[in-house]
Amino acid sequence: AQKVTQAQTEISVVEKEDVTLDCVYETRDTTYYLFWYKQPPSGELVFLIRRNSFDEQNEISGRYSWNFQKSTSSFNFTITASQVVDSAVYFCALSEVDTGTASKLTFGTGTRLQVTL
Amino acid sequence: EAQVTQNPRYLITVTGKKLTVTCSQNMNHEYMSWYRQDPGLGLRQIYYSMNVEVTDKGDVPEGYKVSRKEKRNFPLILESPSPNQTSLYFCASSLVSGRVDTGELFFGEGSRLTVL
Repeated sequence: AQKVTQAQTEISVVEKEDVTLDCVYETRDTTYYLFWYKQPPSGELVFLIRRNSFDEQNEISGRYSWNFQKSTSSFNFTITASQVVDSAVYFCALSEVDTGTASKLTFGTGTRLQVTL
Repeated sequence: EAQVTQNPRYLITVTGKKLTVTCSQNMNHEYMSWYRQDPGLGLRQIYYSMNVEVTDKGDVPEGYKVSRKEKRNFPLILESPSPNQTSLYFCASSLVSGRVDTGELFFGEGSRLTVL
């Protein structure tokens, strides 16, 4: 069965530090999607990225970057020069296309990031 | 504006008092689903619907009911709420194009439910 592990429960950094949030997944499907969501203190889920299993290119969006490595089943998320506004809970998620449906997400337990001045 | 709307956003109720959390989307999406979020457990799917009159259980369906009479609406019904259903609930929808589930999920803003 599919599984997503976010081993870091909570991370604290000082503003301007770089921080990497780890995500390790398990699936037997060859076709799947990986996601990252941000949940700020207000509670809504903010979509950050979706990656399909055939696209291993790393992605950069401003201060955010994602490293997808199929060999280690990891999809890590790095925030460069963190800011206080980055403080949130971040969720990694997986959906399986071969044996499931792309819209059925399996979430990790989340990593709470606290950025202080 | 494309959106998924949930109501109520906050609710405190008592054990056994039936309640419904509504979910409506304006994007003509076929797929809709409900998740609950609990500390240390992430989000888990409760029920989903691939289209009108087609619903199925997710990973944690016990104690919940759903219906899909119209494409835009997917209410979550708690017939007899219990304290272990205290949680943050999210509705989501996505487009199924030519029988292909695009996986492009749109989430509602969440409904925080407390059952005393």
